[in-house]
Amino acid sequence: SYVLTQPPSVSVAPGKTARITCGGNNIGSKSVHWYQQKPGQAPVLVIYYDSDRPSGIPERFSGSNSGNTATLTISRVEAGDEADYYCQVWDSSSDPPYVFGTGTKVTVL
Amino acid sequence: QLQLQESGPGLVKPSETLSLTCTVSGGSISSSSYYWGWIRQPPGKGLEWIGSIYYSGSTYYNPSLKSRVTISVDTSKNQFSLKLSSVTAADTAVYYCVAGVGGEKFDYWGQGTLVTVSS
Repeated sequence: SYVLTQPPSVSVAPGKTARITCGGNNIGSKSVHWYQQKPGQAPVLVIYYDSDRPSGIPERFSGSNSGNTATLTISRVEAGDEADYYCQVWDSSSDPPYVFGTGTKVTVL
Repeated sequence: QLQLQESGPGLVKPSETLSLTCTVSGGSISSSSYYWGWIRQPPGKGLEWIGSIYYSGSTYYNPSLKSRVTISVDTSKNQFSLKLSSVTAADTAVYYCVAGVGGEKFDYWGQGTLVTVSS
């Protein structure tokens, strides 16, 4: 099965930029989706198809994907961005086809 | 806006069958625009896809659970359901029902329901 690796934690000061990586073999050839999960809440889709934002998601959230790494970037970080973030891909050649990353806890200092 | 709501027992005994239902509002479960599924999250751990069901009726399950999982749709009630048999403590988790557009991602999530497997 396909494996997605994320750093367990990222710390960032308010107003700075947080970058969360998602590593996978040739992940650049797949579409990556990102979810934000705040404590006690369901995940929310924040980036889809590598870099698109659903309506209602601030422009501060952006994504990129190339080679073996996809990245979720949160600019001008706010206290409300503190959450767990998960990347996810759909890989038709993998079983299971839907794979989530290991998750990254973003802490706002 | 599509809304999903899980329902079912919060406590299941080992070796029994876990049964959950997801009620869909704001859209039709018969719509070809969406596909439906279940995802779970053990306490303090990450997300695991359980399975999905598509407009065609086709189902796809995580191979780690395939022998124990059934996902089905009840169009008359605008609901879909999850059955997981022969549960153990390892199946204790928050179970989310989800809906997606386009086949690759999960656009809509229920609030989640904690199911504990214990005697």
